[in-house]
Amino acid sequence: QSALTQPRSVSGSPGQSVTISCTGTSSDVGGYNYVSWYQQHPGKAPKLMIYDVSKRPSGVPDRFSGSKSGNTASLTISGLQAEDEADYYCCSYAGSYTFWVFGGGTKLTVL
Amino acid sequence: EVQLVESGGGLVKPGGSLRLSCAASGFTFSNAWMSWVRQAPGKGLEWVGRIKSKTDGGTTDYAAPVKGRFTISRDDSKNTLYLQMNSLKTEDTAVYYCTTQNGDYFDYWGQGTLVTVSS
Repeated sequence: QSALTQPRSVSGSPGQSVTISCTGTSSDVGGYNYVSWYQQHPGKAPKLMIYDVSKRPSGVPDRFSGSKSGNTASLTISGLQAEDEADYYCCSYAGSYTFWVFGGGTKLTVL
Repeated sequence: EVQLVESGGGLVKPGGSLRLSCAASGFTFSNAWMSWVRQAPGKGLEWVGRIKSKTDGGTTDYAAPVKGRFTISRDDSKNTLYLQMNSLKTEDTAVYYCTTQNGDYFDYWGQGTLVTVSS
């Protein structure tokens, strides 16, 4: 069982917006502004999409945005495109004993 | 262009050992903090451990499931990261990814190498 809880799947039509939640505790998501999100296409390595809750690395479209409220972080993808179909994982720093914890992953289907 | 290329994966029996390597290029490896992250077949991601740069002490930290069995090291003269895995268990079966660590996130990932622990 993963430390952070994500929905198993979400879906949306092209052009729509979807939000993926990531729920932790005050020891991880709620305790630090160190949430990151990764996109993984089948058979490929994960790719960083969001870091420090809401920052986008260079090259990531501004359709991807992140936020956090309390112990829950969220990834929102607006203007869905076919190539956004992938698995998405959240990750949070969890202190100097556990260090980093991931969510179980969410499969995004673009209908 | 940052490149991370893992190697050394394969089939090993429970209780056995394996050493993974990660060849890095396209950035100043000696200044980088590096991590290993694994993914069991059909499962999510799991942080394995991290090594700091030598200028930051070169210390290592590990996830509880691998502490005492896995050792991360680096050879800055060869731009290579290592993961020595001992006393392997079936639950260590996974694709192992080498990643650069920038603060508290993992910004570049290798393509991964599969480790299968089975009798």
